[in-house]
Amino acid sequence: DAGITQSPRYKITETGRQVTLMCHQTWSHSYMFWYRQDLGHGLRLIYYSAAADITDKGEVPDGYVVSRSKTENFPLTLESATRSQTSVYFCASSGQGPNEKLFFGSGTQLSVL
Amino acid sequence: GENVEQHPSTLSVQEGDSAVIKCTYSDSASNYFPWYKQELGKGPQLIIDIRSNVGEKKDQRIAVTLNKTAKHFSLHITETQPEDSAVYFCAAIPYNQGGKLIFGQGTELSVKP
Repeated sequence: DAGITQSPRYKITETGRQVTLMCHQTWSHSYMFWYRQDLGHGLRLIYYSAAADITDKGEVPDGYVVSRSKTENFPLTLESATRSQTSVYFCASSGQGPNEKLFFGSGTQLSVL
Repeated sequence: GENVEQHPSTLSVQEGDSAVIKCTYSDSASNYFPWYKQELGKGPQLIIDIRSNVGEKKDQRIAVTLNKTAKHFSLHITETQPEDSAVYFCAAIPYNQGGKLIFGQGTELSVKP
């Protein structure tokens, strides 16, 4: 299906484990983003990418790693998960600029026990 | 840095009434103000946006107004319908901070039939 897809939809893990959240888009958009959504904080930018092999930190990058070897994929890795990383994670893409007309995926609900 | 404050956090209206959500921003250089709607279990979706050279923009039942002097912008929904029930996020892009979207905390709108 065309669009932006995230996997898994739900994930439960334990503290200290490594976990990777996947994001795939079929529009060949240059820009891709990872946000986390927490009650009372809205959406906060973790990392973004302007193109393949170009990534940069957002507001809350600590504890996360990203890569973008292909334009269509932008995985987010939690190297050693902590309980404070329990959140809903959204991937987004844009073909019009670094922050205009973002298209969001359906999210990954991550619980760190 | 940019700070975006959004009010109210929850809003309940009767079907057919109007709803207004307000956001304030701190960086006077901000030049782009989008609004996103998030339905339950889905990612946010852009519904309308406005640039700093425009005071008002309308799209059917929704409109956004911008007051640059007071540094606030508002979303207006007229003739509300139950399908308008969702969480709404405002955002701003400060001109001098790398163009990264800063989101408000969100408003949960409930339209009662």
